[in-house]
Amino acid sequence: AQKVTQAQTEISVVEKEDVTLDCVYETRDTTYYLFWYKQPPSGELVFLIRRNSFDEQNEISGRYSWNFQKSTSSFNFTITASQVVDSAVYFCALNGGWGNKLVFGAGTILRVKS
Amino acid sequence: DGGITQSPKYLFRKEGQNVTLSCEQNLNHDAMYWYRQDPGQGLRLIYYSQIVNDFQKGDIAEGYSVSREKKESFPLTVTSAQKNPTAFYLCASSILAGLSYEQYFGPGTRLTVT
Repeated sequence: AQKVTQAQTEISVVEKEDVTLDCVYETRDTTYYLFWYKQPPSGELVFLIRRNSFDEQNEISGRYSWNFQKSTSSFNFTITASQVVDSAVYFCALNGGWGNKLVFGAGTILRVKS
Repeated sequence: DGGITQSPKYLFRKEGQNVTLSCEQNLNHDAMYWYRQDPGQGLRLIYYSQIVNDFQKGDIAEGYSVSREKKESFPLTVTSAQKNPTAFYLCASSILAGLSYEQYFGPGTRLTVT
């Protein structure tokens, strides 16, 4: 069975603080993909990143960075110098099965205060 | 502009009535999906379709039905058999069905049944 755990239900930070969102996954597949999505108040999920199980290189995109560690089955997401516009629900998701079935974590609500 | 359209954004129905949620995409994607989102929970897969005239049940298909007569359209019917239909429904699509393809989401329809 596949499972994604986002233990942080809600995080509140002050603007310009760095924040890390945790994601731990479980799968028996050797080939799998991990994703992060952002859901702003409008409701539409926005794709942020995809990482395959054979690529453990960390990735940086502007203020966003992702740390993938197979040894701890984690795929954490860090926002540097957070901004109010970063306030949203962030979902980590795993796809390790046939048919492109994404398994989502419960999501982390991020509130960035000015 | 390419994207996924869901209408309406808010939908209200009386208990016992069937209701159909619309999902249209002009991305020329083969695969389409329906998810349900409840407060504090991640997304759960209802149905998915990898190709026209074919669809498979997801994790919570009971009380729902779909059709895929055209590549760009994947309507979801919430039947009176669905015990707890009030939720936020999200439609998604991907180029193909497979592990590596990210899914793109529509703006969602919030259904309230009283």
